[in-house]
Amino acid sequence: DIVMTQSPDSLAVSLGARATINCKSSQSVLYSSNNKNYLAWYQQKPGQPPKLLIYWASTRESGVPDRFTGSGSGTDFTLTITSLQAEDVAVYYCQQYYSNPLTFGGGTKVEIK
Amino acid sequence: QLQLQEAGPGLVKPSETLSLTCTVSGGSLSSSGSYWGWIRQPPGKGLEWIGTISYSGGTYYTLSLKSRVTISADTSKNQFSLKLSSVTAADTAVYYCARHLRTYGQGWFDPWGQGTPVTVSS
Repeated sequence: DIVMTQSPDSLAVSLGARATINCKSSQSVLYSSNNKNYLAWYQQKPGQPPKLLIYWASTRESGVPDRFTGSGSGTDFTLTITSLQAEDVAVYYCQQYYSNPLTFGGGTKVEIK
Repeated sequence: QLQLQEAGPGLVKPSETLSLTCTVSGGSLSSSGSYWGWIRQPPGKGLEWIGTISYSGGTYYTLSLKSRVTISADTSKNQFSLKLSSVTAADTAVYYCARHLRTYGQGWFDPWGQGTPVTVSS
């Protein structure tokens, strides 16, 4: 199984500041034949289901604010929230879809400082 | 707009079978190229993919649960179902259904149902 490790477990960021969430996979999720990273990011607010933010590591889902940016390749990935808003308080998860079983990171909780 | 809604008993006794149904609206379960998945989230913990069923009825499951899981579909009702046998307290979780968007192999989940909590207890 590909193990997804997120860091930090939680972070507190001031409104308007940048939040950076890291996700590391135990093996590369870059598929060489199409040069795509098989990684997605989700946002889960309290009492709600996860919501897709980003797929292919950096492609923003339609309707997702451009303050959310995904980057990275291979085994190391980052979700950056520039100018944190109050509505961004949530737990964020990465997910690899390179191979079965599909696996998720343990989550990173983002709070307001 | 595609929507999914889970339904099923919120309490299951140990050793019994957990049965949940996901109703899809705003789209067809049997639409060519469509896939549908189940994911669970134990209280206060992260997400675990359980399995996926394709538009043609093909299924694949996470290995750790494969011996206990069955996912099936009823296209006449636009529903797909999850059965998990021989449950224990470790199966207590919120269970989500979601569309599994697959392209170039595996894929991501979007949208998700609201989730249904299931507790395993006598």
